[in-house]
Amino acid sequence: EVQLLESGGGLVQPGGSLRLSCAASGFTFSDYGMSWVRQAPGKGLEWVSGISGSGGRTYNADSVKGRFTISRDNSKNTLYLQMNSLRAEDTAVYFCTNGRFAFDPWGQGTLVTVSS
Amino acid sequence: QSALTQPASVSGSPGQSITVSCTGTSSDVGAYIYVSWYQQHPGKAPKLMIYDVSNRPSGVSNRFSGSKSGNTASLTISGLQAEDEADYYCSSYTSSNTLVFGGGTKLTVL
Repeated sequence: EVQLLESGGGLVQPGGSLRLSCAASGFTFSDYGMSWVRQAPGKGLEWVSGISGSGGRTYNADSVKGRFTISRDNSKNTLYLQMNSLRAEDTAVYFCTNGRFAFDPWGQGTLVTVSS
Repeated sequence: QSALTQPASVSGSPGQSITVSCTGTSSDVGAYIYVSWYQQHPGKAPKLMIYDVSNRPSGVSNRFSGSKSGNTASLTISGLQAEDEADYYCSSYTSSNTLVFGGGTKLTVL
């Protein structure tokens, strides 16, 4: 069974940093592109970042470009999202998901709250 | 990149069919087959219902179907059931190598 388990969320002050992790199991991790998608409280879905299976190519939404970095460690079957210079508007549940163009499955999400 | 345009809400009675539209531009929906649809129940993670415009993942009911014409994609749910009540989101690949979602549509089963 394919499973994605996010961790690393929490409360952080504006301007701070946080690193999210997503542990994958049940499939050959390095064969698949992966993505992060977020959802602010009561709002819709927003694609954040994507990465190729090898990790050699990364893609980011304009809203996080220069602040967030997606990466992966295929030896550990783990996806990461390094988030710097966090802003109040980054407050959201962050989902890890398998895929570059269509996302399936999704993790349960981890909540990031940016507030002083 | 602006969000794709979806109606805020749609409704239908059990057994009826409904269609949710998703309008983009010639740089996203109109340009690529990479249009997907997701179902999200409250407090749950989204679930992929349709990918590549009209393909259903294994395990998704054939009551769900997708199509595209020009810059507008559509999700049709036939034989509405109570458990179909949820939020539905479309997404598309874009010419900027990014993905964009629609604002979401709340489906109410009357």
